[in-house]
Amino acid sequence: DTGVSQNPRHKITKRGQNVTFRCDPISEHNRLYWYRQTLGQGPEFLTYFQNEAQLEKSRLLSDRFSAERPKGSFSTLEIQRTEQGDSAMYLCASSSNYRAAEAFFGQGTRLTVV
Amino acid sequence: KQEVTQIPAALSVPEGENLVLNCSFTDSAIYNLQWFRQDPGKGLTSLLLIQSSQREQTSGRLNASLDKSSGRSTLYIAASQPGDSATYLCASMDSNYQLIWGAGTKLIIKP
Repeated sequence: DTGVSQNPRHKITKRGQNVTFRCDPISEHNRLYWYRQTLGQGPEFLTYFQNEAQLEKSRLLSDRFSAERPKGSFSTLEIQRTEQGDSAMYLCASSSNYRAAEAFFGQGTRLTVV
Repeated sequence: KQEVTQIPAALSVPEGENLVLNCSFTDSAIYNLQWFRQDPGKGLTSLLLIQSSQREQTSGRLNASLDKSSGRSTLYIAASQPGDSATYLCASMDSNYQLIWGAGTKLIIKP
């Protein structure tokens, strides 16, 4: 297993454009998390999936943000009408139901909105 | 609402020194306390996980302690090396397996 994979690693976009990130969790991991990390801060929780069901969303996840995990495997995070304040590292993590406390993180997607 | 604080925000020490990083949390009802390492522009690597019933965990030159009553955890790094330079983050986990993070301590080990 190659671990949690995120693509792209870097994304530069103009303000107002839509962007989509992808996360491939460790195979057979039921739980998938998205976090956002701004410079000099720790990650902040965005949303959580149990298989294909999105069970929790942070209030940080505004209407411009949407996340999906259609088949309970990979997940996508889309940001519509990007703003400069969306510039951050977007981290994905996964864990199994049997060892839910042990989350494995991807290398993240760094978004820069210009 | 849980708040996690890490002090200091940055630390620079000569190679070979032992050092302690501090983490405090406001709500003692934690499931566990975890320490992670983050290298520039990269994701997070788990270092140590201390269950709420435990007092400490050790891995190689790293030792993490947990005192729930005082809301504190420390990460002790023995015989520091330049390769230890990174940002160290602590996070508390609640019973829903959600992590609440500190802002991290940026550690520089000078050769």
